[in-house]
Amino acid sequence: DAGVIQSPRHEVTEMGQEVTLRCKPISGHNSLFWYRQTMMRGLELLIYFNNNVPIDDSGMPEDRFSAKMPNASFSTLKIQPSEPRDSAVYFCASSLPGTGDGEQFFGPGTRLTVL
Amino acid sequence: DAKTTQPTSMDCAEGRAANLPCNHSTISGNEYVYWYRQIHSQGPQYIIHGLKNNETNEMASLIITEDRKSSTLILPHATLRDTAVYYCIVRTSGTYKYIFGTGTRLKVLA
Repeated sequence: DAGVIQSPRHEVTEMGQEVTLRCKPISGHNSLFWYRQTMMRGLELLIYFNNNVPIDDSGMPEDRFSAKMPNASFSTLKIQPSEPRDSAVYFCASSLPGTGDGEQFFGPGTRLTVL
Repeated sequence: DAKTTQPTSMDCAEGRAANLPCNHSTISGNEYVYWYRQIHSQGPQYIIHGLKNNETNEMASLIITEDRKSSTLILPHATLRDTAVYYCIVRTSGTYKYIFGTGTRLKVLA
């Protein structure tokens, strides 16, 4: 298995531009998570999907952020318009059916720099 | 807020056991202790988890005190590749949410 796949791995953009981050979870996993990691705030959960449905988006910073999961094998995190303070590493993770006690498998992350 | 307290950093000699402590004094009966690590620039990686009993797998051992208020992750023979930030997380059974604290930065020295 290829693990969780994220693209792009690096993104540099200018303030005000739209940014779209992509994630392909591990096949058969029905829970998907988007995290953001910064030096100041550490690793934070942004949103959680179960069976393609957003369950908890309380970590999404503001309306500029949106996430979708149109099917079980693909999710996007969009920032529009982007701001310099959005610069961070964004991780996608997935886990097996049932939120019980399962581990989360993290992707390699997307390093976003907003100039 | 994270429910765990860990030392900021530790060093360990290569080939020796690395013992990483974690305090979770407010843990409740249905909360598990999880350990993840993050090697520089990579996504966090699951290591082990437990509820009450000590656990062992191919990567590490987890020792949980009888009162469950603290635990220790043991890497039996640390290698340079074990240099990473180690996160101790308390998670309620049946929930999805991890709250990552600041972790312990372990440096394995040659």
